[in-house]
Amino acid sequence: EPEVTQTPSHQVTQMGQEVILRCVPISNHLYFYWYRQILGQKVEFLVSFYNNEISEKSEIFDDQFSVERPDGSNFTLKIRSTKLEDSAMYFCASRGGSGGEETQYFGPGTRLLVL
Amino acid sequence: GNSVTQMEGPVTLSEEAFLTINCTYTATGYPSLFWYVQYPGEGLQLLLKATKADDKGSNKGFEATYRKETTSFHLEKGSVQVSDSAVYFCALRRLTGGGNKLTFGTGTQLKVEL
Repeated sequence: EPEVTQTPSHQVTQMGQEVILRCVPISNHLYFYWYRQILGQKVEFLVSFYNNEISEKSEIFDDQFSVERPDGSNFTLKIRSTKLEDSAMYFCASRGGSGGEETQYFGPGTRLLVL
Repeated sequence: GNSVTQMEGPVTLSEEAFLTINCTYTATGYPSLFWYVQYPGEGLQLLLKATKADDKGSNKGFEATYRKETTSFHLEKGSVQVSDSAVYFCALRRLTGGGNKLTFGTGTQLKVEL
């Protein structure tokens, strides 16, 4: 069964450093998402991406964040200068979009720890 | 704006007990409703969904009915197993300008004991 994959599973970084979180969505999907979950809190939407551009972003997704689909398979989230409060589990998701398919399929997540 | 409220956990049950996890929502229009499950150390998996009022989603013995009159989507299972121990998230999706983002509740941890 096709699945969304994410790398790395864990990342530790120093405050102020740049990190790139990688995702490989399901191959024929058209819509891509990033969510995050700070420990003990709810899963929050960050950004959605379609047709090589951002379709919606939340207040959290400020200028420190960017997303890119550099090739036909990867979807990345970059945090330019990490802050302590960026420590969270980051989930990538994808959705087919064809025929009205609306279910989002999630990856296993990347746990980011900023020290 | 849209929001989802879930009962707080953890919920601790004995095996074969009946499970209810309450979920209510606030949204304009007609959202689609979802339950996702997160097993320890894993990502979010879709458990079931309902896209319109009075629809019942079901999977693996779990059920939830979309009740527009009470704006609820409570998750139920008649007989839980130890393997059902996980965190359960209620979520809604309302068609927006193009993103179709999910809005999640805080999650309810379920612990099932022998």
